[in-house]
Amino acid sequence: EAEVAQSPRYKITEKSQAVAFWCDPISGHATLYWYRQILGQGPELLVQFQDESVVDDSQLPKDRFSAERLKGVDSTLKIQPAELGDSAMYLCASSPPTGPEQYFGPGTRLTVT
Amino acid sequence: RKEVEQDPGPFNVPEGATVAFNCTYSNSASQSFFWYRQDCRKEPKLLMSVYSSGNEDGRFTAQLNRASQYISLLIRDSKLSDSATYLCVVNRAGGYNKLIFGAGTRLAVHP
Repeated sequence: EAEVAQSPRYKITEKSQAVAFWCDPISGHATLYWYRQILGQGPELLVQFQDESVVDDSQLPKDRFSAERLKGVDSTLKIQPAELGDSAMYLCASSPPTGPEQYFGPGTRLTVT
Repeated sequence: RKEVEQDPGPFNVPEGATVAFNCTYSNSASQSFFWYRQDCRKEPKLLMSVYSSGNEDGRFTAQLNRASQYISLLIRDSKLSDSATYLCVVNRAGGYNKLIFGAGTRLAVHP
């Protein structure tokens, strides 16, 4: 069964440092999403790509967060500089052309110290 | 008011029990509805889509009431392995596909 791949699975970083997460969606899924999930809450969308284009980044803190999907396949989410409040699970998801359901990767658990 | 609201629980039930979760959504133009399951410290996984006519998958039954903007999930004959958080998810109408997640309802099934 095809899966969304993410790395790293865990990341500990000090505040003010830079951190990057990688995601490879299910093959053939043109739409890719990055979410942030804080403990006890549902995932919240940070950025959505359709192929290589950003179609929604309204909730992305653009002063410190950036995302790219240069070739319309895998994607990178970067935080620079990291803050204590960025500690969360960062989830990547992709959806097929045929329907709105989304499939999630295992996530990256970020701890900022 | 949140766009998707759920009772956070936890629901503590014995094995074999029937348990129901409810969810309300505020955007009447929402088009698609889902239940996702999330185990502790894992990613959400699609449990089932929710259709206007109601749908069933084994021990799980989902129902949608568009007039009341209400979604439900019924789990019959609960198993220990059903212990998880259940996320109610709504596809926001218009533009690109965007899912709005509720905060989840936690279920704990005990022997």
